[in-house]
Amino acid sequence: GENVEQHPSTLSVQEGDSAVIKCTYSDSASNYFPWYKQELGKGPQLIIDIRSNVGEKKDQRIAVTLNKTAKHFSLHITETQPEDSAVYFCAKGYSTLTFGKGTMLLVSP
Amino acid sequence: ETGVTQTPRHLVMGMTNKKSLKCEQHLGHNAMYWYKQSAKKPLELMFVYNFKEQTENNSVPSRFSPECPNSSHLFLHLHTLQPEDSALYLCASSQDGSGAGTGELFFGEGSRLTVL
Repeated sequence: GENVEQHPSTLSVQEGDSAVIKCTYSDSASNYFPWYKQELGKGPQLIIDIRSNVGEKKDQRIAVTLNKTAKHFSLHITETQPEDSAVYFCAKGYSTLTFGKGTMLLVSP
Repeated sequence: ETGVTQTPRHLVMGMTNKKSLKCEQHLGHNAMYWYKQSAKKPLELMFVYNFKEQTENNSVPSRFSPECPNSSHLFLHLHTLQPEDSALYLCASSQDGSGAGTGELFFGEGSRLTVL
């Protein structure tokens, strides 16, 4: 019950396409769902987050959706660019944050 | 330039060595964290310090010893490590202890540790 399952582990898209990464969890306590982006040689950086009282949140080309009943949340990136290439981590939080294993996104020009 | 600085960026040590990792945050935050990042595994929380007090020790072996002399500095002292301890060690900070579960974490670039 404590883990976060993240899929896919790798995702390759062409520049301009959309990318979707999905995470599922099983506990009922988690109420905070952030997404972090980690570029090569850097530490993870928060790109967007959502709390359990909201179903969707958007910030320019990035959006996150949350279905608390089904216990899954997703990251959507539209009009992908090569600089979006990185590893993306979902996480769920309540008293502590639990991270997924990450998705390596490759955007080809 | 990152608000969280980690040194050294790379460290190679033998199993009998003693070394330390250092983290400094310039963001005025009150909570600091050590995470372990291994290939194909989720980020693992090791230690949490909130206002210099350790509030979480996530069943970490005693060969890892944290030290937080003030809210801006965090150390991880390493002693008698094993090859499986080789990983990227990430330091993070947050405004307060909510970063442990429901707040934004600001990560450093990590210290890549190799244990021979």
